[in-house]
Amino acid sequence: EAQVTQNPRYLITVTGKKLTVTCSQNMNHEYMSWYRQDPGLGLRQIYYSMNVEVTDKGDVPEGYKVSRKEKRNFPLILESPSPNQTSLYFCASSSPTPGRWEAFFGQGTRLTVV
Amino acid sequence: RKEVEQDPGPFNVPEGATVAFNCTYSNSASQSFFWYRQDCRKEPKLLMSVYSSGNEDGRFTAQLNRASQYISLLIRDSKLSDSATYLCVVTSNYGQNFVFGPGTRLSVLP
Repeated sequence: EAQVTQNPRYLITVTGKKLTVTCSQNMNHEYMSWYRQDPGLGLRQIYYSMNVEVTDKGDVPEGYKVSRKEKRNFPLILESPSPNQTSLYFCASSSPTPGRWEAFFGQGTRLTVV
Repeated sequence: RKEVEQDPGPFNVPEGATVAFNCTYSNSASQSFFWYRQDCRKEPKLLMSVYSSGNEDGRFTAQLNRASQYISLLIRDSKLSDSATYLCVVTSNYGQNFVFGPGTRLSVLP
């Protein structure tokens, strides 16, 4: 089954404690992205990657890091989380093949930073 | 001006009603267009792609007007299970950049 898998689904942490949210896809997609979703603000892109070792900032990259060492994985790293990073996070993957650009999303990670 | 705008909603409609969602986008270089559905606290899921010629999938019809930079979604004979937030999504740069509208929430009432 084609899917994007995120872990963990729920996480409560304290300010300043480094954390990583993992994302893996089994569709051999080149493109992967991270979004955060906040009430009234919609989905905003944090980082995206066009392929292995190629990453770029999205609209709200401050406080986040990513890496793309393998095609299937795209972890999101919060080196020093702060309460304003409390949000619902989604990982997505898509293909550059024309006509198949739709994005597939993971189930989301609800992060609370206290 | 936001890159993708949608009706603010929410829409509260009775079962069986026809409901229309509107979306406008500002980037004339946009290449592909989608409607996604998002249930509360869950991931967005593709509802349908939107083609220039218009397309229909059962009770759902999507239209695209590139000249006006306008996208629409029509749901006929709405069901309780159609209650969700509907997201208009626009891509450019050969699928690299996805821009989401803020969404319009629909509640179908018995």
